Amino acid sequence: EIVLTQSPGTLSLSPGERATLSCRPSQSVRSTHLGWYQQKPGQAPRLLIYGASNRATGIPDRFSGSGSGTDFTLTISRLEPEDFAVYYCHQYGSTPRTFGQGTKVEIK
Amino acid sequence: QVQLMQSGAEVKKPGASVKVSCKASGYTFINYYIHLVRQAPGQGLEWMGLIDTSRGETVYAQKFQGRVTMTRDTSTTTVYAELSSLRSEDTAMYFCALLSPGIIVGGRPFDYWGQGTLVTVSS
Repeated sequence: EIVLTQSPGTLSLSPGERATLSCRPSQSVRSTHLGWYQQKPGQAPRLLIYGASNRATGIPDRFSGSGSGTDFTLTISRLEPEDFAVYYCHQYGSTPRTFGQGTKVEIK
Repeated sequence: QVQLMQSGAEVKKPGASVKVSCKASGYTFINYYIHLVRQAPGQGLEWMGLIDTSRGETVYAQKFQGRVTMTRDTSTTTVYAELSSLRSEDTAMYFCALLSPGIIVGGRPFDYWGQGTLVTVSS
């Protein structure tokens, strides 16, 4: 099983600031098989990034993904009020599928 | 449009079983696996298993082997997920999902989630 370790657990930032979230798989993951989700309270997760760096439909360009192998990053260039949420990375290259434990981006 | 419509909330006693349904529409049902993901209150996402909707074959996370059973009915395009021997730690929101972001359909990644079914286990 591929364990995904996200850091930090919580990120306290102000609107307009830059957020950098990390996801580190326990073994190499092909970049084509790594995605990021955003989840707000009471909602299902929403796909933001697939293939490590491709924005999903309707996702603003302030969201970007990068990385390969055992080191992936989600960057939000300038936080908008609606971006304060929990973010999960997910590997879909092998079963069992796995998710990171999440990073909460909260308002400072 | 692609939709996954789940059954309503359930309250069960410890030791009982619960069966959640997931009605799929808006796409060719047998072409894509359906996954089961759960989320305990205040916790992260936990993948439980998947079903090949064409063949009916299943893959489960080791943690749930022997307690979860996923089935499908191709005539009604519905997937069922049954969890047995319930304990309080199984209290969670259960999601069915089309987790195929690497497959592009109609110009967008094929990733869709149901609205979730809250299962509460309490004596």
